[in-house]
Amino acid sequence: EVQLVESGGGLVQPGGSLKLSCAASGFTFSGSAMHWVRQASGKGLEWVGRIRSKANSYATAYAASVKGRFTISRDDSKNTAYLQMNSLKTEDTAVYYCTRHQAAAGTGRGINWFDPWGQGTLVTVSS
Amino acid sequence: SSELTQDPAVSVALGQTVRITCQGDSLRSYYASWYQQKPGQAPVLVIYGKNNRPSGIPDRFSGSSSGNTASLTITGAQAEDEADYYCNSRDSSGNLVVFGGGTKLTVL
Repeated sequence: EVQLVESGGGLVQPGGSLKLSCAASGFTFSGSAMHWVRQASGKGLEWVGRIRSKANSYATAYAASVKGRFTISRDDSKNTAYLQMNSLKTEDTAVYYCTRHQAAAGTGRGINWFDPWGQGTLVTVSS
Repeated sequence: SSELTQDPAVSVALGQTVRITCQGDSLRSYYASWYQQKPGQAPVLVIYGKNNRPSGIPDRFSGSSSGNTASLTITGAQAEDEADYYCNSRDSSGNLVVFGGGTKLTVL
């Protein structure tokens, strides 16, 4: 079964740090780009960032809202991706999902999708 | 602000057809993918590419694209289709990812 399981969420004070993990199973993790997406309560999905595979130099990219504060990494030997969050702000409070990115060549347009998604882990930034 | 624009809310009578749209410049270069999210649950992929459904997604869900607009159509909406729907694509640079603001679908 293809599965992603996040862990590491919790309550942290503003300015603090937290590291989330995303354990993968059922697919070739090492060849997959992994993304993090968050959702504040009652709000829409917000892309956080991604890390590509070793074949793509483990390249990372981040949303402007977290760039310089968040770092995505991976350990292919453990089939796990990580999201290190530093200098946390109250507006970072959200459920954080990890998801596998997939892509294919299309006729005239690129094809990209996210599947599967983890169940999410809640991060609360509050004093 | 999102580079993909969706109507915040749409309603449909049970058994009727509804179209949910997503607009953005990047959709001229990339197909949208669509996700269904029910309260308290993770998003679920329902459509990707030109009009591809993952295994387990009912065939009443379909997708289409024209110009800068992508559409998700539910033909014969069921009560269990009531959910939030999000479109997704790359941004205009092609390097980052964007989601639409989401459309809350109500089945009457």
